[in-house]
Amino acid sequence: EADIYQTPRYLVIGTGKKITLECSQTMGHDKMYWYQQDPGMELHLIHYSYGVNSTEKGDLSSESTVSRIRTEHFPLTLESARPSHTSQYLCASSESSGGYYGYTFGSGTRLTVV
Amino acid sequence: KNEVEQSPQNLTAQEGEFITINCSYSVGISALHWLQQHPGGGIVSLFMLSSGKKKHGRLIATINIQEKHSSLHITASHPRDSAVYICAVSPQVTSGSRLTFGEGTQLTVNP
Repeated sequence: EADIYQTPRYLVIGTGKKITLECSQTMGHDKMYWYQQDPGMELHLIHYSYGVNSTEKGDLSSESTVSRIRTEHFPLTLESARPSHTSQYLCASSESSGGYYGYTFGSGTRLTVV
Repeated sequence: KNEVEQSPQNLTAQEGEFITINCSYSVGISALHWLQQHPGGGIVSLFMLSSGKKKHGRLIATINIQEKHSSLHITASHPRDSAVYICAVSPQVTSGSRLTFGEGTQLTVNP
């Protein structure tokens, strides 16, 4: 049973539209992440948050923005979608216990911009 | 050179075979993760290791910190094991828990 939820699962949208990808977790994890993954390629970190009102850019430059107003919610927004944004977006959260981090991933949002 | 390297990149096996996927890393780590990604894209965390060995069902993961190497074994493989297996590490130098990923191993198990 998933404890981290991403919606929508699939999204096809036209160029120039504003979109928000939702990610929510029910585990109380303080750390949350957004990864981008092109087909057959590695995951790349685009945003992360270590707690409420804390957001940082990841290793891969992205035109998206994120917010973390509540612990359980970490939405990702594209102000103006472009075909180059077509990809899969995976949300994850982690906990720290004794210095070790367990991860939980969402099912992903597959975005197609036409 | 990637900080995390997996081998093989692709692996095809017959049902019932014993499978090994290897992961080598070049940085100090606080933990190593094995992840499974099915064709639909969702990722499942299989193991998190900092030392020794863990077992869950038909899956076994081992890590040798001195050699900076980990292996994922699947015993009595089954077609439903077909997926991409990803090794990821939490480097010690980063504050917190950001992961560095290997490129993944595409496993296909034929009936």
